[in-house]
Amino acid sequence: EPEVTQTPSHQVTQMGQEVILRCVPISNHLYFYWYRQILGQKVEFLVSFYNNEISEKSEIFDDQFSVERPDGSNFTLKIRSTKLEDSAMYFCASSGTAGVNQPQHFGDGTRLSIL
Amino acid sequence: GNSVTQMEGPVTLSEEAFLTINCTYTATGYPSLFWYVQYPGEGLQLLLKATKADDKGSNKGFEATYRKETTSFHLEKGSVQVSDSAVYFCALTSGYSTLTFGKGTMLLVSP
Repeated sequence: EPEVTQTPSHQVTQMGQEVILRCVPISNHLYFYWYRQILGQKVEFLVSFYNNEISEKSEIFDDQFSVERPDGSNFTLKIRSTKLEDSAMYFCASSGTAGVNQPQHFGDGTRLSIL
Repeated sequence: GNSVTQMEGPVTLSEEAFLTINCTYTATGYPSLFWYVQYPGEGLQLLLKATKADDKGSNKGFEATYRKETTSFHLEKGSVQVSDSAVYFCALTSGYSTLTFGKGTMLLVSP
C-alpha cells in the first residue's frame, strides 16, 4: 500500500538554526498537510497546501514557517529560526481530495528536538 | 471553533476485556468523525470513520457510532488483544478537510 514517508525520523538542532523537514506524499495525492504534536499535547494542524499554494493555515503557522513543493514528489516544512518551543513531533499527511471520502494518510513523523 | 475531548489515559486492560474510549466533540456545521491509531514508533493510521449522524464506523473489531444528540463518538471493542496497545486519537473535520484532534488515549493491554 502506498505510504507517506518523512525524513529524517529525528532531527536535533540548535536554537536559532533553520531546519527543513521533508515529506514524500503518496504519488497521486493532491492535498498536503503538516501537523505537529508537542509531547503530551494534542496533534495540531499547521498548514494545508493545494495547487502549489497554501489553502489554509493555523495561528501556529507564523512567519517563521514556510512550506514548499520544490519538485513533483517532495513537500517540505521549513522553520527559519527555531525556538525551544518548536520541539515536537511533526507529521506530514496527504489526501487525494479535500473532504472525507479520501481521508488523510499520515507519515511516521519527524521528531524535532531544539537544544 | 471545533474541539475534541477524549478520556484521559492510560487505559489498562487485560486481554479479551471490553474496551470503551470516550470521545465528545463540539463543531460548527455537520462534522465527520474519525478514530486514528498510532502504534509505537509509527505514524497515525485511520482506524474508522463516520460521516453523518447514526452512522457506525467499524474496522478490525473496533466500532464507533456517530451520536449527534450527545455529540459523541465513543470507540468500543468487544475483546482487546495485546496487539491493540497503541494511542487512539478521536478527530473531526467540518467543512474543509483540516483535522481537529483530541489529545489521544493510550491503551495498554496485558496478556
